[in-house]
Order: sequence, then C-alpha cells, then structure tokens
Amino acid sequence: QVQLVQSGGEVKKPGASVKVSCEASGYTFASYGISWVRQAPGQGLEWMGWISAYTGKTNYAQNFQGRVTMTTDTSTSSAYMELRSLRSDDTAVYYCAKDPIVYGSGSGGHYFDPWGQGTLVTVSS
Amino acid sequence: QSVLTQPPSASGTPGQRVTISCSGSSSNIGGNSAYWYQQFPGTAPKLLIYKNNQRPSGVPDRFSVSKSGTSASLAISGLRSEDEADYYCAAWDDRLSGVVFGGGTKLTVL
Repeated sequence: QVQLVQSGGEVKKPGASVKVSCEASGYTFASYGISWVRQAPGQGLEWMGWISAYTGKTNYAQNFQGRVTMTTDTSTSSAYMELRSLRSDDTAVYYCAKDPIVYGSGSGGHYFDPWGQGTLVTVSS
Repeated sequence: QSVLTQPPSASGTPGQRVTISCSGSSSNIGGNSAYWYQQFPGTAPKLLIYKNNQRPSGVPDRFSVSKSGTSASLAISGLRSEDEADYYCAAWDDRLSGVVFGGGTKLTVL
C-alpha cells in the first residue's frame, strides 16, 4: 500500500535549521509530487510548498520563501524539507503528503493523499 | 487568519445531517476545486473529498460536497459517532499561487 514514513521528532534552538525526511513506498515515486504541510499545536493546517519528484521543480508558499528548501532523491524514493532560521513559532508537526501534481504547480489540482505520520519539530531555547 | 473561512465548531446527533461551510473568494474556491480533509486527534489528516465531489475509496457516500460561487459546503448525512473529528477545506489560490486551507471545524456528535 502507498505509505509515507517520516523521520523522528527534533528539538532545535532558535536560529538553527531542521531537515525532515519522508520515505515513500508503494507507488512510482517519480510520477508524483510531494507537498509539505505543517500544523502548529492546536492550530490549523498550513501548506509550505510542493516539489516534483520527477523534475525537482518547486513551488514554495510565500510565507516560507527564502527559508525553506525541498529536495527529493529518486534513488531512495525520499523527499526532504529543510527549514532554516527557526523561530519559536515554527514549533509544529510537519507532514509530507503525496501530491498528484508532477509537472507544474501553478494552476491548482493539488491534493494530499496519503499523508506521512508527521514529525514534531520543537523550537526552544 | 486563514484565507478560507470555516465555522470553528459544528454539532449534530446520530442520524442527523450536518453541513460545514467554507467561504473563500474568486481567486480560490470561486475558480478552483475545493478539497476536504478529516483529522482525528493525534493523527495525520486524511483526504475526504477531492476535485469538488470525488471520494477516495473507503470514504462512504454519506460525505458529499456542494459549491456555490465562492463557497463550498461539506455535508455529512446519517451522522455517526465515528464522524467526530476536525474537518478542513482547501483550495488552490490563483493570487497567492499556493494552496490555502480553512481554519478547520471541530465536529461534535452529541
């Protein structure tokens, strides 16, 4: 079955960086994209951006541009999300999700199914 | 402040029909498909409805959506206790060139 397994929780200090991994199985990784969504404690969902596992093309949400980098490794069917200059309000559960958009992100069609189990990133001094 | 507006809570009794609204604008719901996700406490969200009214396998047809102008609604008929969860709407936003979510609605089955 299609499954996304994420790396374990992280505790970081303000100003540091974090890199979360997401290993996919059960489907042809390069035929889809991966989106990243985060959820602060007790809050709603926030889309961070998308990467094509086929081309490596990215589309980052405006709130994260300049601070996030998404990459993929097709040899291991893995996706990575690195967030830099962490602040306390970056404390959240970070999810990766399989996204049907694989070529261009600019006209919608993004939806997320399935999701990884989530990775809690805690930013605290 | 979420781009899409949902009521923070909704409730109903078993067997009842409940609707959850999602209000947006011409740059998102007005011109693009709406998607719905269900999330139980402590777990990852799950896709409930995609491309306006398609259900992934396993999602019962008690869940349906409608759309009018810049708003969409999720309807749950024959409400069951296991439907108690948080529900989120989402859509592509042409102005922001990104996916936007509603703030989520906590559904309580009384």
